[in-house]
Amino acid sequence: KQEVTQIPAALSVPEGENLVLNCSFTDSAIYNLQWFRQDPGKGLTSLLLIQSSQREQTSGRLNASLDKSSGRSTLYIAASQPGDSATYLCAVTGSWGAQKLVFGQGTRLTINP
Amino acid sequence: DAGVTQSPTHLIKTRGQQVTLRCSPKSGHDTVSWYQQALGQGPQFIFQYYEEEERQRGNFPDRFSGHQFPNYSSELNVNALLLGDSALYLCASSPGQREKLFFGSGTQLSVL
Repeated sequence: KQEVTQIPAALSVPEGENLVLNCSFTDSAIYNLQWFRQDPGKGLTSLLLIQSSQREQTSGRLNASLDKSSGRSTLYIAASQPGDSATYLCAVTGSWGAQKLVFGQGTRLTINP
Repeated sequence: DAGVTQSPTHLIKTRGQQVTLRCSPKSGHDTVSWYQQALGQGPQFIFQYYEEEERQRGNFPDRFSGHQFPNYSSELNVNALLLGDSALYLCASSPGQREKLFFGSGTQLSVL
């Protein structure tokens, strides 16, 4: 059974800092890994999707890496801003079904002005 | 182009009642999935519908059922509501069973 863990559960940093969020998964036989952003009480916004054959993806100030063999991914946020405050979730898909995302519990990020 | 729309946005029910949540997929999408997100947790997969049939199901009891209509919209029904069913219910759609999901804003269900 695939399990996804995110560390830390919560993180508070001052504005302008670079930061790293971590995600680990137990079964390396994944199709892809996604990072999502969720604002309180709202739906999910996909930030980055990394296919299993890729090592990293970048979008603006965000960079996500994937090490499938070790079951780890990181989301790097450069020059953090108060508007980055949200919960960040990672999720994987695999042979169990492309539509069946298995999510971590998320990291609640607060950027202090 | 409207994204995934869900209704209602909020709902309050009492234990034992039944509830129906609705989802309209993004234009051009034919596959709909439903997820349950308890407070402080990541979403959990309930089931997926494609061509009006349930194609995959997560670890949820039969009290949770669904339907997909010819226009690809979908409903999630929950019978005999329990306090533990209180959660944010998210609908996601995609243009095919193996494509990237787009999520709606969810329906917040409170069971009292």
